[in-house]
Amino acid sequence: QSVVTQPPSASGTPGQRVAISCSGSTSHFAFNNVNWYQQFPGTAPKLLIYSNNQRHSGVPDRFSGSKSGTSASLAISGLQSEDEADYYCAAWDDSLNAWVFGGGTKLTVL
Amino acid sequence: QVHLVQSGAELKKPGASVKVYCKASGYTFTAYYIHWVRQAPGQGLEWMGWINPNTGDTNYAQKFQGRVTMTRDTSITTAYMELSSLRSDDTAVFYCAREPGYNSGFDSWGQGTLVTVSS
Repeated sequence: QSVVTQPPSASGTPGQRVAISCSGSTSHFAFNNVNWYQQFPGTAPKLLIYSNNQRHSGVPDRFSGSKSGTSASLAISGLQSEDEADYYCAAWDDSLNAWVFGGGTKLTVL
Repeated sequence: QVHLVQSGAELKKPGASVKVYCKASGYTFTAYYIHWVRQAPGQGLEWMGWINPNTGDTNYAQKFQGRVTMTRDTSITTAYMELSSLRSDDTAVFYCAREPGYNSGFDSWGQGTLVTVSS
């Protein structure tokens, strides 16, 4: 069973750089790309990063993604209060033939 | 401009079925997969499956196989997700989302449909 793990929470102060990790439990994670989504309370998720490090149209360049082996990371630089949201990573698992989401990370801007 | 508009909230009794629709506009409906994602109250996102609107081919998450059916009507550019044998723990917001291509992520989402299962 594939598991994608994120820290449940993260925080930072305005202007800081924060990173949210995403790790996969199987080798399938290492071979597949990771996407990142942002979700505000009561609204649908929005695509931030696809294919590990490609910003979706309209996403500020303060957001960046990276991946190495079975770990991926979403970095937000110049943190702003409006970045306070839930962030989810997702990857395709070839063995399950399914998309697997991480449990989500709630980002708080202090 | 891409729009995915979903049907309204539903209240169902345990054991019943629910069918949610996702009306697509602003792009060629048959060109991109539609995925369905579930989010229970206060919980994370859970992928349910996809449908290829061009062929009608589907792929369901193992957890939902036997209970979920995804269909589409190309004449009205609408995708459907039907979940049967509802239980109280199926109470959730259901989202449809478009996948524009391989490794492109889900770039457009519907507004979500709240399905409440309660006796």
